[in-house]
Formats: sequence, C-alpha cells, structure tokens
Amino acid sequence: GAVVSQHPSRVICKSGTSVKIECRSLDFQATTMFWYRQFPKQSLMLMATSNEGSKATYEQGVEKDKFLINHASLTLSTLTVTSAHPEDSSFYICSARDAAGAQETQYFGPGTRLLVL
Amino acid sequence: AQKITQTQPGMFVQEKEAVTLDCTYDTSDQSYGLFWYKQPSSGEMIFLIYQGSYDEQNATEGRYSLNFQKARKSANLVISASQLGDSAMYFCAMREGWASNYQLIWGAGTKLIIKP
Repeated sequence: GAVVSQHPSRVICKSGTSVKIECRSLDFQATTMFWYRQFPKQSLMLMATSNEGSKATYEQGVEKDKFLINHASLTLSTLTVTSAHPEDSSFYICSARDAAGAQETQYFGPGTRLLVL
Repeated sequence: AQKITQTQPGMFVQEKEAVTLDCTYDTSDQSYGLFWYKQPSSGEMIFLIYQGSYDEQNATEGRYSLNFQKARKSANLVISASQLGDSAMYFCAMREGWASNYQLIWGAGTKLIIKP
C-alpha cells in the first residue's frame, strides 16, 4: 500500500513552545490530508482536513489558531501546535488520500507522540 | 446517535482460531464505504480491508474477510487462523457519500488479544 511518513515520531517540549509535525506522502500525491488526535484507549478524533493550496477545514471545537495547518505541496502537510500546554499532550496521526488512485482508502502515517511538560 | 458501533471493547481468542469483530453502522446514504483498520501498540493505523455499499461480494484480503450484511447494516471483520501478531486494536470506519474530501466516521474500537 501507499506510504505516509510522519516526523518526528516522538517529541517532548516545554510548556509554551511550539511544535511542528510533518506528514508526507512518499509515493503518491495527496490533495487531501487529515489530522487526527487520539487519546489513550480511545478512537481517532478528526481535528482538521487539509487541502493542498487552500485553507484547512477545522472540526468544531478545534482552535485553528492553536493548531496551524499548512498543506503547501501535494506531498506535505504540517501541523504546528502553538504555545503547547500539557493538555495538548497526545498522539497525533495524519492520513492521506491518493489523488490519482482509488477514492476509498486513507493511508495513515505512523503517528507522533507529543508530551508537553 | 452513534454512526459506527463496535460492541466488543475487548476480546481474547486462542491462537489459530477464527475471530469475528462486530461492527454495525447507521447511514441514510445509498453510497457509502466501510473500512477496517488495525492499530498495534506502536500506534500506526494499518488499512486492512474495504467494502463499498454497491459491492455485491464480500471483500477479502488474505486472512481478512468482511461479512457485509447490508439489510442488517453490519460489516463484521473475520480473521481466519489468528496469529499472535494479530493482537491489536481494531477500528471500523465508514465513509458517507462521494465528496472528494470525505471524512471517516470511526467506531470506538475493539482490543483483540490472541492467546498462545
């Protein structure tokens, strides 16, 4: 299947700093990428839909000024957690759909574990 | 109301036995798709199998098959000859309609543990 990478896989930061997470589709072009957040033992919670060349669409309750999303190319979307606080500690995972392939499947990155001290 | 329901929070199964993970869904759309993903402890989400609402045959991928019963709105995942490496969280998800940037609606997941 298609490959999606995320970087970094783990990050520990101090409260108040900003953290950037990258999501890359390695062997396909992705016009749409999705950012999810997952708390322990829970399902995925969609945060936002990232469309190449346009503004991201955020889900209700997700602060767009806190979680900045940039989808500057067909293979890269970034999520920046600004002024991170301990409650932002979570597992962040992105997914991407192949623009040229079948419409059905989203391929997921390996996720990023964020710990804010 | 829950759109995707996975009623089994956890399951223990003996190695080499077959496993059925339940998933029921709720939608008024005629066109939709159902997915199963596996999430091991490492966290990555691994795509397993897909069933479109118009597909007449049940989807199969190796040891995975999807028991699609449209009238009952169920899409159970069947794993044949379970292996220790099958221990993971399993999520059922649904796509509604054909919007180009569709979202997936997720179930709560089932934790499967395979016993040696």
